[in-house]
Amino acid sequence: DIQMTQSPSTLSANVGDRVTITCRASQSFSNWLAWYQQKPGKAPRLLIYKTSTLESGVPSRFSGSASESGTEFTLTISSLQPDDFATYYCQQYNSYWTFGQGTKVEIK
Amino acid sequence: QVQVVESGGGVVQPGRSLRLSCAASGFSFSNYGMHWVRQAPGRGLEWVAVIWYDGSNKYYADSVKGRFTVSRDNSNNTMFLQMNSLRVEDTAIYYCVRTTGATGAWLPFDFWGQGTLVTVSS
Repeated sequence: DIQMTQSPSTLSANVGDRVTITCRASQSFSNWLAWYQQKPGKAPRLLIYKTSTLESGVPSRFSGSASESGTEFTLTISSLQPDDFATYYCQQYNSYWTFGQGTKVEIK
Repeated sequence: QVQVVESGGGVVQPGRSLRLSCAASGFSFSNYGMHWVRQAPGRGLEWVAVIWYDGSNKYYADSVKGRFTVSRDNSNNTMFLQMNSLRVEDTAIYYCVRTTGATGAWLPFDFWGQGTLVTVSS
């Protein structure tokens, strides 16, 4: 099974900050990685799939990338907005489906 | 618009059974793979099970294998999760989730229901 280790678990930031969340995979794979946003009491929302493809309706301040090794994946929010304070999860769907533990983005 | 609505959650004693339902609307249900994903209170997301668009393939997380069974009724746009031998650690919100295509392979999850809470407690 592919394990996903997400960091940090909590991130404190201000509106306007550039924010980066990292997911490390226990083995390399190509492309089949997604990012989800979840707000309290709500279902998760798909933000990015196939590592870097933005889901329809998602603001362009969100972006995704991967390292050449295929084991490190990054979600970047270029300028944090009030609506972005939430918990973010990575998910690999290369072999079955595994989520990272989540990163809570909170107001500094 | 696309909608998936879960039902059937509740409080159940350890060792007992429960059946969850997921009613889909706003899309061609029979053309999409569907998943169950759960989230224990205050915890992260855990994938539970998947069923292909036609029911031909089903896969389960190790934590539920042999106890849970996923099925679907495409004529009524509904998916089910039969949960037997429930354990305290099965306590969670259970989400019905659509994939972006017919199977589950190499596809992310694009629509989530609001979830139904299952509490396993004596």
